Amino acid sequence: RKEVEQDPGPFNVPEGATVAFNCTYSNSASQSFFWYRQDCRKEPKLLMSVYSSGNEDGRFTAQLNRASQYISLLIRDSKLSDSATYLCAANTGGFKTIFGAGTRLFVKA
Amino acid sequence: ETGVTQSPTHLIKTRGQQVTLRCSSQSGHNTVSWYQQALGQGPQFIFQYYREEENGRGNFPPRFSGLQFPNYSSELNVNALELDDSALYLCASSLEGDKYGYTFGSGTRLTVV
Repeated sequence: RKEVEQDPGPFNVPEGATVAFNCTYSNSASQSFFWYRQDCRKEPKLLMSVYSSGNEDGRFTAQLNRASQYISLLIRDSKLSDSATYLCAANTGGFKTIFGAGTRLFVKA
Repeated sequence: ETGVTQSPTHLIKTRGQQVTLRCSSQSGHNTVSWYQQALGQGPQFIFQYYREEENGRGNFPPRFSGLQFPNYSSELNVNALELDDSALYLCASSLEGDKYGYTFGSGTRLTVV
């Protein structure tokens, strides 16, 4: 089993839609969780950090469920500019952050 | 505040050769982590350097090695290059390990022929 697993993509949604990505992690010692956005042929950029039950930033909401070992990312009112790959990551306690394979999102007009 | 700078941006090497990739961390950051990202995959953890010491290592062979300097910049060295080493190599800068997330450099795209 992979340490961090994400929904296989791609997700194709119309503008204005709400889309949710799920991510599971296998190491129960993981303490910090992150969502990164990666545009084609660019570096990942930190979108949100999740340390407790959840975090909200505008149209983006991240939630953490420690009992079930998953985190989710909800994007409301999708924009064309949201089209990218979304990477889930889990930190196992200081020196090792593991990334999922990413989920590709296409937002269409 | 300067960001994370990696050099070179692109590189073509022949199988069996050696390569050194460089990274300047973001101002104020003392931790550098290196990742390998193959096309269509997520970044794979190579190792992390914290205050000039290797602080953790992923599942990569010893021919992948690194250094961190007193100014917290870092190098990734790969010996005896193999075709499968072709990938985007990302340097990630952070403060005090990686509890607070990373700032990535734009990467070095390595092609081994």
